[in-house]
Amino acid sequence: AQKITQTQPGMFVQEKEAVTLDCTYDTSDPSYGLFWYKQPSSGEMIFLIYQGSYDQQNATEGRYSLNFQKARKSANLVISASQLGDSAMYFCAMREGRGTNAGKSTFGDGTTLTVKP
Amino acid sequence: KAGVTQTPRYLIKTRGQQVTLSCSPISGHRSVSWYQQTPGQGLQFLFEYFSETQRNKGNFPGRFSGRQFSNSRSEMNVSTLELGDSALYLCASSSPDRGGTDTQYFGPGTRLTVL
Repeated sequence: AQKITQTQPGMFVQEKEAVTLDCTYDTSDPSYGLFWYKQPSSGEMIFLIYQGSYDQQNATEGRYSLNFQKARKSANLVISASQLGDSAMYFCAMREGRGTNAGKSTFGDGTTLTVKP
Repeated sequence: KAGVTQTPRYLIKTRGQQVTLSCSPISGHRSVSWYQQTPGQGLQFLFEYFSETQRNKGNFPGRFSGRQFSNSRSEMNVSTLELGDSALYLCASSSPDRGGTDTQYFGPGTRLTVL
């Protein structure tokens, strides 16, 4: 069964510093996608970054990068130069590409990030 | 391109009533998924529709149902509401470019309160 684990319920970071949010996953499907979403207090889920299971390089999107370690089944999100507006809940998610769970997204419990001025 | 829209944004119902939520996907997206988010259970997958067919379903009772129209708009219905159905209901759309691993883009959600 597909599973996502985020072990950090809350994280604090100083403004302008980098922070890493942890995510491990479990799946038997060789084809899958890993995603990170940001959910501010308003509730909307904002897509940040995607990593495919067959991608050779780590994904990057502006200040966001995904540290993909396939053998360890981890997909950590790195936010560089944190800003006050980065304070939010962050979710790691996975979608499998094949089998009975194809297309079904599984989310972790989330990490609440607080950026301190 | 306009994002995913959901209506209504807020809803208050009483136990036993039924409710219908609506979702309009991003133009060109044919897959629509629904999720329930609660403080206790987190984000849980309800179902996914693609080209008017339910492609996958989560572990929810039959009181939760959905459908998709030919223009890809989707509705979700909950009958015989229970207090535990109070939640944020999120709709997400995706374009089938990578099969099941397409990026999902979420709407603002409908916050349902059951009294």
